[in-house]
Amino acid sequence: GDSVTQMEGPVTLSEEAFLTINCTYTATGYPSLFWYVQYPGEGLQLLLKATKADDKGSNKGFEATYRKETTSFHLEKGSVQVSDSAVYFCARGGGRRALTFGSGTRLQVQP
Amino acid sequence: EAGVAQSPRYKIIEKRQSVAFWCNPISGHATLYWYQQILGQGPKLLIQFQNNGVVDDSQLPKDRFSAERLKGVDSTLKIQPAKLEDSAVYLCASSLDGTGGLNEQFFGPGTRLTVL
Repeated sequence: GDSVTQMEGPVTLSEEAFLTINCTYTATGYPSLFWYVQYPGEGLQLLLKATKADDKGSNKGFEATYRKETTSFHLEKGSVQVSDSAVYFCARGGGRRALTFGSGTRLQVQP
Repeated sequence: EAGVAQSPRYKIIEKRQSVAFWCNPISGHATLYWYQQILGQGPKLLIQFQNNGVVDDSQLPKDRFSAERLKGVDSTLKIQPAKLEDSAVYLCASSLDGTGGLNEQFFGPGTRLTVL
């Protein structure tokens, strides 16, 4: 069935470091791809999305490109801040279907 | 615009007891989802409603879990009887027109259930 695999955490970085969180998905159908973020004490919220191959989603300095050839949707940010500390979830969806989530990656940014 | 509301926020029960969770989606959202998030894992769909009809309940343990969405608005999720492995956060989400896979799903704060 559908699945999403993302790198295990925690990922610990210093402020202003470059961030990459890897995400790969099963290639059945033509899914839409998402990154959700969960800040401490808050609910899940959409960070960015891409609906077709080669699309780039971006928000708050984060970017991810839908790579069909490698079935990947890696999350990147050029310079992380302490306020980016959170758990990041990669997810796939499609049409009227619910989302299939990865297991989440905890990011800790130290000042 | 008010977000997705859930109650209670926390619940502690003993195994074999019953528990119910309530969700009020964003006004006008046709589709409602219940997810189960076990510690250290991503959310997993339990059931999806489109208005007051069930779209997908293939992963709902129907021997103990039940859900309803009367009048296509609020929803309740019930567990009877609870098991230790039901300890998790139960998330409710809604989307505008049923294309939650393409468009944004809005999540509530969740109910953290602990089964002792």
